[in-house]
Amino acid sequence: TQLLEQSPQFLSIQEGENLTVYCNSSSVFSSLQWYRQEPGEGPVLLVTVVTGGEVKKLKRLTFQFGDARKDSSLHITAAQPGDTGLYLCAGDNYGGSQGNLIFGKGTKLSVKP
Amino acid sequence: EPEVTQTPSHQVTQMGQEVILRCVPISNHLYFYWYRQILGQKVEFLVSFYNNEISEKSEIFDDQFSVERPDGSNFTLKIRSTKLEDSAMYFCASKGTDNSPLHFGNGTRLTVT
Repeated sequence: TQLLEQSPQFLSIQEGENLTVYCNSSSVFSSLQWYRQEPGEGPVLLVTVVTGGEVKKLKRLTFQFGDARKDSSLHITAAQPGDTGLYLCAGDNYGGSQGNLIFGKGTKLSVKP
Repeated sequence: EPEVTQTPSHQVTQMGQEVILRCVPISNHLYFYWYRQILGQKVEFLVSFYNNEISEKSEIFDDQFSVERPDGSNFTLKIRSTKLEDSAMYFCASKGTDNSPLHFGNGTRLTVT
């Protein structure tokens, strides 16, 4: 059974601090996606990483896919209260039309002003 | 921006009753999915649907579950005889092509009493 472990599960920081969220697995994924989920809503895709070692930036968010395509990280620089939310990583082993994503449990981020 | 819409937002039903959860995927999308999220747990894949048939299903998707695309716009999930443990958020998702990202709806919260 493929698993994605996210850490930390909860993170509470002050505005302006930096943080990193990790997503680890013993399995190889063809791609890995990061989502953000607000209460009462569905996950919203932030980024997809496909190539081992790939780094993608989305404003203050930096996403990295491990060389072996088994792990990923999300780094937020100078966090703001608007970054508060649940961050989910999801791995796609099959790619293509199957779209059977394996989700991590998520990291609940709280950024205090 | 087009979005996946799900109805109802909250459904309460008694154990043993049948429920139908409805989804209207984005209009030009071809791949359709159902996921569920039990409170406090990870998002789990249930089933994928393409070209009018199930392309993959998980162990959770047993004989009590069925999906249908009765017309060109709706995509439904039916649970024939609900159990207490079916209580969860059910998310519908769709995508346009093999390599495009999944778009999730805001979910239906199913409560089985």
